[in-house]
Amino acid sequence: KQEVTQIPAALSVPEGENLVLNCSFTDSAIYNLQWFRQDPGKGLTSLLLIQSSQREQTSGRLNASLDKSSGRSTLYIAASQPGDSATYLCAVSPSTYNTDKLIFGTGTRLQVFP
Amino acid sequence: EAQVTQNPRYLITVTGKKLTVTCSQNMNHEYMSWYRQDPGLGLRQIYYSMNVEVTDKGDVPEGYKVSRKEKRNFPLILESPSPNQTSLYFCASSSGMGANVLTFGAGSRLTVL
Repeated sequence: KQEVTQIPAALSVPEGENLVLNCSFTDSAIYNLQWFRQDPGKGLTSLLLIQSSQREQTSGRLNASLDKSSGRSTLYIAASQPGDSATYLCAVSPSTYNTDKLIFGTGTRLQVFP
Repeated sequence: EAQVTQNPRYLITVTGKKLTVTCSQNMNHEYMSWYRQDPGLGLRQIYYSMNVEVTDKGDVPEGYKVSRKEKRNFPLILESPSPNQTSLYFCASSSGMGANVLTFGAGSRLTVL
């Protein structure tokens, strides 16, 4: 059974720091991996999607990497800002049938203070 | 604006009183699904639908029903809610299989007393 773990559970950093969020999964047979941002009362927003054949994806200050063989992904946030404060969720798509099904980690709650 | 709309956003009810959480998307998406989010457990899929009249169980379907009679709507039905169904519920949709980004609704916080 696929399990997704995120470390750390919470993180508080001063503005401007570069930071790394970690995600690990137990079964390397994934279709893709996504990173989401969750803001209270606003649902989830997809940040980056990495296909199983890819190694990384970048969007602005965000960079996500995927090492499928070791079951790991990292989300790198450069020059963090208070507006980055949110919960970040990692999710894998575990099968080639129901590929839009996602298995989520429990998230990393990030606070960036001025 | 492309969106997934859930209603109600907040609901407090009592054990056994049937309720329906509606979900509607305006993107002509084929795939829709429901998740529940609980502290320490993350989001877990309840049911999904790949198209009209096609639904299937996710990981935690017990106590829930769904229907997909129209492409845009995917209601979640709790026939006899129990306190263990107190949770934050999300509806999501995508255009289809593979390499697709899910669009999530804003969530519905349900409390069953």
